[in-house]
Amino acid sequence: QPVLTQPPSSSASPGESARLTCTLPSDISIDRYKIYWYQQKPGSPPRYLLNYYSDSDKGQGSGVPSRFSGSKDASANAGILLISGLQSEDEADYYCMIWPSNAYCVFGGGTKLTVL
Amino acid sequence: QVQLVESGGGVVQPGGSLRLSCAASGFIFSSYGMHWVRRAPGKGLEWVTFIRYDGSNKFYAESVKGRFTISRDNSKNTLYLQMNSLRTEDTAVYYCAMDTRDLDYWGQGTLVTV
Repeated sequence: QPVLTQPPSSSASPGESARLTCTLPSDISIDRYKIYWYQQKPGSPPRYLLNYYSDSDKGQGSGVPSRFSGSKDASANAGILLISGLQSEDEADYYCMIWPSNAYCVFGGGTKLTVL
Repeated sequence: QVQLVESGGGVVQPGGSLRLSCAASGFIFSSYGMHWVRRAPGKGLEWVTFIRYDGSNKFYAESVKGRFTISRDNSKNTLYLQMNSLRTEDTAVYYCAMDTRDLDYWGQGTLVTV
């Protein structure tokens, strides 16, 4: 099954933007998959944020602010979660996910985002 | 509104067994597949198992295949996870999640300590 690689940590200051990446192996094109993103804070279940396949095929979770957005970087074979106007409440773990089949999904290792 | 409530977690010795339950409400349970996902301490999310809406097909992560069994009782709106031959690496918070592709509905989780 595909392995999704996320940097273990990232940090940015309030008001800045955070760009979190989710990289697929070079032999699996990012073009094949819709990328899903989740936020998890201590003691809480994962919260669905958004999904992104293309600019014409994407979705935002209910109540998720528009400052959370998704994209892809084809040259890096990666999905991107961009968080603009960082707030202290955005400090959390972030996970990407794909569905290699209808029956199972694969999560990335997660990125711990620190808001300085 | 959709509600998923897990129960059954606890402390168990290696080699022991435990059965988790996930009580569902607020939606037509018998129309949706269901997943179990876990998060071990200090680690990331790991998909564990999936069952189709009618229980006809079940899928497992390699790490639990042959030891865990997913099942459901649509008359009771309840999902189960029977965990046998438990290992220390099975220690985690276990979440049930509704199969909506977005996985936008999760329970609060139940802690299993082996």
